[in-house]
Amino acid sequence: KAGVTQTPRYLIKTRGQQVTLSCSPISGHRSVSWYQQTPGQGLQFLFEYFSETQRNKGNFPGRFSGRQFSNSRSEMNVSTLELGDSALYLCASSSDAVGTATTGELFFGEGSRLTVL
Amino acid sequence: AQSVTQLDSHVSVSEGTPVLLRCNYSSSYSPSLFWYVQHPNKGLQLLLKYTSAATLVKGINGFEAEFKKSETSFHLTKPSAHMSDAAEYFCVVSDLGGNQFYFGTGTSLTVIP
Repeated sequence: KAGVTQTPRYLIKTRGQQVTLSCSPISGHRSVSWYQQTPGQGLQFLFEYFSETQRNKGNFPGRFSGRQFSNSRSEMNVSTLELGDSALYLCASSSDAVGTATTGELFFGEGSRLTVL
Repeated sequence: AQSVTQLDSHVSVSEGTPVLLRCNYSSSYSPSLFWYVQHPNKGLQLLLKYTSAATLVKGINGFEAEFKKSETSFHLTKPSAHMSDAAEYFCVVSDLGGNQFYFGTGTSLTVIP
């Protein structure tokens, strides 16, 4: 079973640009969540999507947005990039099936490392 | 509201000695608790999870954790550290619906040969 796939793995942008990151969840998983990881702030929750609807949202400015497609793939977009947006962006998928061995477990991709110059 | 506190930001042990990574949680109901491990430039991998079954939970790679409600703790242990255990460890609690997860700040484990 293929794991969570994130693309691109590495990218470099300059201030003011925008970026789109992609996440393909494990087959059958309908929940996709996004996290920002930085040395100073640790892991911070961005948002979570379930069946194309944003179900939860963290405390990030409106420059950070996301969406989920009917095949559960998700994208996140950051507009007007700032130096502080440099981070590892992690995507995780989970199953909504109750009572399975992996209920409630998050499966993470390897992340997209964004550098803003 | 749910939260976790990892009591040590860095832990250093010698190879072959026991590992103890401490985590306290706060939850208004019986929580689901997890430990994840992250190796450099990698995503997070589940080590083990507690979901109100046995209080002593065994995970992968010889790790285990004990849920202690009276102490609101979920400490991670391993009897004998291996060099490959060097990584960042995260304690996590989920909300009642299992839809949102709250991460601790992480504990960096160093294993000295």
